[in-house]
Amino acid sequence: SQTIHQWPATLVQPVGSPLSLECTVEGTSNPNLYWYRQAAGRGLQLLFYSVGIGQISSEVPQNLSASRPQDRQFILSSKKLLLSDSGFYLCAWGPGAPAYEQYFGPGTRLTVT
Amino acid sequence: QKEVEQDPGPLSVPEGAIVSLNCTYSNSAFQYFMWYRQYSRKGPELLMYTYSSGNKEDGRFTAQVDKSSKYISLFIRDSQPSDSATYLCAPEGYSSASKIIFGSGTRLSIRP
Repeated sequence: SQTIHQWPATLVQPVGSPLSLECTVEGTSNPNLYWYRQAAGRGLQLLFYSVGIGQISSEVPQNLSASRPQDRQFILSSKKLLLSDSGFYLCAWGPGAPAYEQYFGPGTRLTVT
Repeated sequence: QKEVEQDPGPLSVPEGAIVSLNCTYSNSAFQYFMWYRQYSRKGPELLMYTYSSGNKEDGRFTAQVDKSSKYISLFIRDSQPSDSATYLCAPEGYSSASKIIFGSGTRLSIRP
């Protein structure tokens, strides 16, 4: 069966510091991968998605970036965090067309102070 | 107009009640419709998944899609305190990347 891992689970970072969140998927190959952010009491905002190694699409202009160095690894980064970057970051994977469902990791709660 | 509209709640009902959760959407091209359940401080989990109009039942849960009115419903029968969570409706957005459009979620509380 497929498993998705995210770490760290929680993170407190000062404004201006860098960020690196990692997500890995087991038990499948060539998955679609997604990064979402969920602000407190809000819905899910799609940040980036990837349909293959090195293929990254950005949904929202911001100071975040994503990379997919390996088939089942997805990394979310920032060079300098802003207060507004605080939130719950979720990685998800999906089998891709024609199936459209997505499966989520446990999330990383980021607080920028 | 938002692509997906969902009443944020909170919705509080007694244990055993029938719960109705609803969404509307604007894009008539949506074909796949999903419901996710999200417990506090956890990632969302896929609850049900339907294609096009019609009903789909899974245990105490029934998903209903009316494409003519762009209306999505989730019914929970014999609700339990363990059903207390936020429910997000999620129509499928755009093909090749399989981008789902999530509603903002309805917070549901089942009172024992």
